[in-house]
Amino acid sequence: AQKVTQAQTEISVVEKEDVTLDCVYETRDTTYYLFWYKQPPSGELVFLIRRNSFDEQNEISGRYSWNFQKSTSSFNFTITASQVVDSAVYFCALSEEGDDKIIFGKGTRLHILP
Amino acid sequence: EPEVTQTPSHQVTQMGQEVILRCVPISNHLYFYWYRQILGQKVEFLVSFYNNEISEKSEIFDDQFSVERPDGSNFTLKIRSTKLEDSAMYFCASSTTPDRLSSYEQYFGPGTRLTVT
Repeated sequence: AQKVTQAQTEISVVEKEDVTLDCVYETRDTTYYLFWYKQPPSGELVFLIRRNSFDEQNEISGRYSWNFQKSTSSFNFTITASQVVDSAVYFCALSEEGDDKIIFGKGTRLHILP
Repeated sequence: EPEVTQTPSHQVTQMGQEVILRCVPISNHLYFYWYRQILGQKVEFLVSFYNNEISEKSEIFDDQFSVERPDGSNFTLKIRSTKLEDSAMYFCASSTTPDRLSSYEQYFGPGTRLTVT
């Protein structure tokens, strides 16, 4: 069965600190896709990244970076030098090969304090 | 940049009433989806739609729900007789082709907040 666990319900950090959001997934498939979405207070879902299971290279995009480790079934997300505008709920998600749906974790609410 | 649009942004309805939520997917996309998010909870898959028929649905998507692509641009979710527990944010999404050999992306709309009173 597929499952995404985001153990951190809520995190607060002071602006400019680095913060890592954890994501652990479960799947029986060898081919799958992992995602991170951001949901700001306005409510929309903003796509951040998609990674397929064959690509374990870490990715950096500006202040955002992602660490994919198949050995621990984790896909963690780090924000470097956080800013108040990063305050949002962040969802990690999983989609298996041959499956239409995306399975979301429960989300981590991130507060960046000025 | 093309985007998925949804109307209305907020719908208030009374229990037992029918409601139709509307979505306009990105024009060259072939797969369409509905998800819902009860306030403060995770986003949950409801249904996927391809080639004018449902390709997958979740346990949540019972007989009270239906989807339709009435014309070449709109994709609708109908709830026949709303219940209090249907109150949620409903997201529409679309994608090109979920090619099993390559990754794909579902583009989400801004959501419709449904409040059932």
